[in-house]
Parts: sequence; C-alpha cells; structure tokens
Amino acid sequence: AQKITQTQPGMFVQEKEAVTLDCTYDTSDQSYGLFWYKQPSSGEMIFLIYQGSYDEQNATEGRYSLNFQKARKSANLVISASQLGDSAMYFCAMRPMKTSYDKVIFGPGTSLSVIP
Amino acid sequence: NAGVTQTPKFRVLKTGQSMTLLCAQDMNHEYMYWYRQDPGMGLRLIHYSVGEGTTAKGEVPDGYNVSRLKKQNFLLGLESAAPSQTSVYFCASRASGRYEQYFGPGTRLTVT
Repeated sequence: AQKITQTQPGMFVQEKEAVTLDCTYDTSDQSYGLFWYKQPSSGEMIFLIYQGSYDEQNATEGRYSLNFQKARKSANLVISASQLGDSAMYFCAMRPMKTSYDKVIFGPGTSLSVIP
Repeated sequence: NAGVTQTPKFRVLKTGQSMTLLCAQDMNHEYMYWYRQDPGMGLRLIHYSVGEGTTAKGEVPDGYNVSRLKKQNFLLGLESAAPSQTSVYFCASRASGRYEQYFGPGTRLTVT
C-alpha cells in the first residue's frame, strides 16, 4: 500500500535555528514525486518544494531543502534559520506517476512551533 | 493574479440541504481538484478534472458531484448534505507538465 508517514506530531525549534521534519514513504513504484506543503493557522495550503524520484540532486528552495534518501524511502524537509512565520502544519505528500487516477497521497502532518 | 479562490469561506447547512462550492483559478491551469480535510485523516481527493468539460472520481467521491464547464472554474455540489460531510474543503489546480498543486484558502462546511 502507498503511504506517507510523519512520525513527529509536534516539533519545537528556536528562532534562527535549523529544523528537520521527517517523512518516510512507502511505494513499490519506481517513478514518483515528493512534495512538502505548509499550512499556517489561516488554513491555506502553500506549496514549498518538489523532488522527483529520478532527480539526482536534493531540491532546494530558499531556506527549504529536501533531504532525499531513496534507499531509505525518506524525504525529510530541512528549514534553515527558522522564523516565527514558519510556525505551521507541514505536510509531506507523494505522487505516484503510474496510477489509475491523478493521485497525491498526503501524510498526517507535523505541527512546527518556532520559539522566539 | 489571485491564484485559486473559493466561495464561500464558511457555510452551515442542515441535513438534506444542497449547496455548490465554487473554485476559480486565473493561472490557466489544466488540472483542478477538490479535496476534503478532516482531523487525523489528512487531505483526501474527492473529484478532479484534467481539462474543461472533463471530470473524474478520486478517493472519496460518494455524495458529491462536480462540473467543469469553463477551464477556470470547478464546481463541487452536495445534493443532500449529511453530517459526515462536515469538513474543510480545498480546491487546487496545477499546470500541465508540472506536478505541484496550488491550493485555495478552503471552505469550512458544517452540516447539522
């Protein structure tokens, strides 16, 4: 079964420190995409970063980087220099490329709180 | 450039009532999606569309209908609301050839 696991329901980080949010995934597909989304308390889902399963380099977008370890089936999000505005829920998601429908599987989310 | 917008933001319905949620995007995206988000369940796909005039079922389609008469709009209908449809509904869209989806602000629906 295809599944996303986020084992950290809640995380705290000091402002200006780096934090890693864990994500592992389960799929037998060879071709898939991995995403991270941020959901602040206002409710909207904000796309942060994307990694394709065949991409050799880890994806980076500003302060966000995706630590992709294919053999371990992990796709951890690293946020550098945390800011108060980073406090939010973070969702890891996976899109298998060969499915019967246009399917994205979301994890349960990790709540991040940035402490001043 | 407003991105993805949803109307209404909040709604309370009584069991058996009907309503339509409207999603609009101004990014000329081919693909559009309706999700529901429930506590502890994450996001689940209700229906989606791969282009104007097309719709398809997602993971939890029962009790919902959709229409995509115009490329920029994707409507989600509840014909006879049930308390189990109390949820936050998100619309999303993506461009052809890209995989990331862009979400609207959500609609909080309560069915009593």
